[in-house]
Amino acid sequence: DAGVIQSPRHEVTEMGQEVTLRCKPISGHNSLFWYRQTMMRGLELLIYFNNNVPIDDSGMPEDRFSAKMPNASFSTLKIQPSEPRDSAVYFCASSPTPTDTQYFGPGTRLTVL
Amino acid sequence: KQEVTQIPAALSVPEGENLVLNCSFTDSAIYNLQWFRQDPGKGLTSLLLIQSSQREQTSGRLNASLDKSSGRSTLYIAASQPGDSATYLCAVSPPNDYKLSFGAGTTVTVRA
Repeated sequence: DAGVIQSPRHEVTEMGQEVTLRCKPISGHNSLFWYRQTMMRGLELLIYFNNNVPIDDSGMPEDRFSAKMPNASFSTLKIQPSEPRDSAVYFCASSPTPTDTQYFGPGTRLTVL
Repeated sequence: KQEVTQIPAALSVPEGENLVLNCSFTDSAIYNLQWFRQDPGKGLTSLLLIQSSQREQTSGRLNASLDKSSGRSTLYIAASQPGDSATYLCAVSPPNDYKLSFGAGTTVTVRA
């Protein structure tokens, strides 16, 4: 199994640009999580999907952030417009069920200039 | 709101020494606790999961204990090796709940 796949691994963009991060969960996993990691705030859960349906988006910081999961094998996290304070590492994780161990992808390091 | 604290923030030991990493949480109600490892530039890898009904879990050189009454967990790594150098994070969740509350992590360096 290839594990959770994220792309791109690194993204550098300018303030105001749209950014799209992508995630392919492990096949057969029904739960998908998006996290953000910063030095100041550590790891924070942004949004959680179960069976492709968003269940909890209370961690999404602002309306500039949106996430979709059109099918069981693909999810996107979009930031529009991006701001320098969005600079962080964004992780996608999946698990067989909501309470099983979560398997993390390698992350996308986002830098907004 | 659950607060998870890991002390120390960083630790450096010579190869062969046993490692003791601490994790404490404010709400000591029944929780599951996980220990993760994070290598630089990489994602998190789950090491051990302690269910709320358990007191400890072991995997190879790793042993984790959970004391719900005091709101503490300890990760022991026996006979440390340079390959154990990484950041170790603990995360707490209520039973039957997906929400993980993470500590800031302890960065371990094992000197050869």
